[in-house]
Amino acid sequence: QSVLTQPPSVSAAPGQKVTISCSGSSSNMGSNYVSWYQQLPGTAPKLLIYDNNKRPSGIPDRFSGSKSGTSATLGITGLQTGDEADYYCGTWDSSLSAGVFGGGTKLTVL
Amino acid sequence: EVQLVQSGAEVKEPGESLRISCEGSGYSFTNYWITWVRQMPGKGLEWMGKIDPRDSYTNYSPSFQGHVTISADKSISTAFLQWSSLKASDTAMYYCARHAGYCAGASCHIAMDVWGQGTTVTVSS
Repeated sequence: QSVLTQPPSVSAAPGQKVTISCSGSSSNMGSNYVSWYQQLPGTAPKLLIYDNNKRPSGIPDRFSGSKSGTSATLGITGLQTGDEADYYCGTWDSSLSAGVFGGGTKLTVL
Repeated sequence: EVQLVQSGAEVKEPGESLRISCEGSGYSFTNYWITWVRQMPGKGLEWMGKIDPRDSYTNYSPSFQGHVTISADKSISTAFLQWSSLKASDTAMYYCARHAGYCAGASCHIAMDVWGQGTTVTVSS
């Protein structure tokens, strides 16, 4: 059971937009910054979004992040088949004094 | 190029000890914490703990405290994850990642911006 809650799967057609939600509590998402990671099949995770809504160099602006209260959302526009991957949210939990991840969301581009 | 290179796959028997490594290059190793992340077969990411290579101060998830040991040798820019007695349930992929985060006031920023390629650990009799 993950500390952060994500939907197990989402799907959308190529070219469309999809959002992935991540919910937590006051001790984690409510008081700390959120990051998002993409894990393509058989590869290591990759940082997509940090500090709730910032993109590292090289990440296209098709990827966006937002946070409100104890929930965060990853948005992906102009979906491509290459976006099929598992997506994870992560943050710090001040009560646990540890990092925490969501359970992951599998994105299928139909 | 900034990179983390992990040691190779391991196959061990229950009860054996093991240490896997993560070598950083292309950046100042002591300027960033190193985090270890577990991914069991077919499952999600689990944050295990992190270490400050400057002074080897560690921070463990309660789920992993006492089960593993994280260490570092800054002279060779390498972090380690160690088990004293492996169990079958330790079978997983283990990733190290550079922790580009900090805490300011009551809020913490956490971002793992560079990841190793992963080390597969298989524990089986």
